[in-house]
Amino acid sequence: DAGITQSPRHKVTETGTPVTLRCHQTENHRYMYWYRQDPGHGLRLIHYSYGVKDTDKGEVSDGYSVSRSKTEDFLLTLESATSSQTSVYFCAISAAERVYGYTFGSGTRLTVV
Amino acid sequence: AQSVAQPEDQVNVAEGNPLTVKCTYSVSGNPYLFWYVQYPNRGLQFLLKYITGDNLVKGSYGFEAEFNKSQTSFHLKKPSALVSDSALYFCAVRDKGNQFYFGTGTSLTVIP
Repeated sequence: DAGITQSPRHKVTETGTPVTLRCHQTENHRYMYWYRQDPGHGLRLIHYSYGVKDTDKGEVSDGYSVSRSKTEDFLLTLESATSSQTSVYFCAISAAERVYGYTFGSGTRLTVV
Repeated sequence: AQSVAQPEDQVNVAEGNPLTVKCTYSVSGNPYLFWYVQYPNRGLQFLLKYITGDNLVKGSYGFEAEFNKSQTSFHLKKPSALVSDSALYFCAVRDKGNQFYFGTGTSLTVIP
């Protein structure tokens, strides 16, 4: 999707290892979000950011941390990956004004073995 | 609490027939409502939104949605379904705090 990229697109990692996913935007949007998508659960918010160094937890934040040291990058870290964190992770960005929706990245498929 | 419900996990429709994907919402204040579509192995793409004004909003790919305040619904519609419309559809609401709330998604299959 234009203006937002996620890396890596696919990753396989072992249980107990740390993993970092990156979201990069070129839209200069204030808000950035990390979601996970699992069958039967739809999209669940992990963490979000409303500015540089300003982040907050979503509904499924346990086991995840985030950092945003500059406007364009929002990093999601799995501190010690578990099999329950096998999922597809989506980053989204949004302008501050409420009339705007999200723009989503293409997703990262993470498998924890 | 804000929430969005999509009561149907799966909708099947024959090609050429009209389609409806249902969404109801619960939000304090005026709702800002959105529909997104997800094709396999892709991110979600914006289809349309309701902010204010006409209750019938038109969006991408010939889709439209009808906002009904009394029924707190925002159903997605298309007069004539295409096989290429087969995808996962998400309804969402944005609240005053800039949080989005998504439904669990409806899988649409258009049968040739």
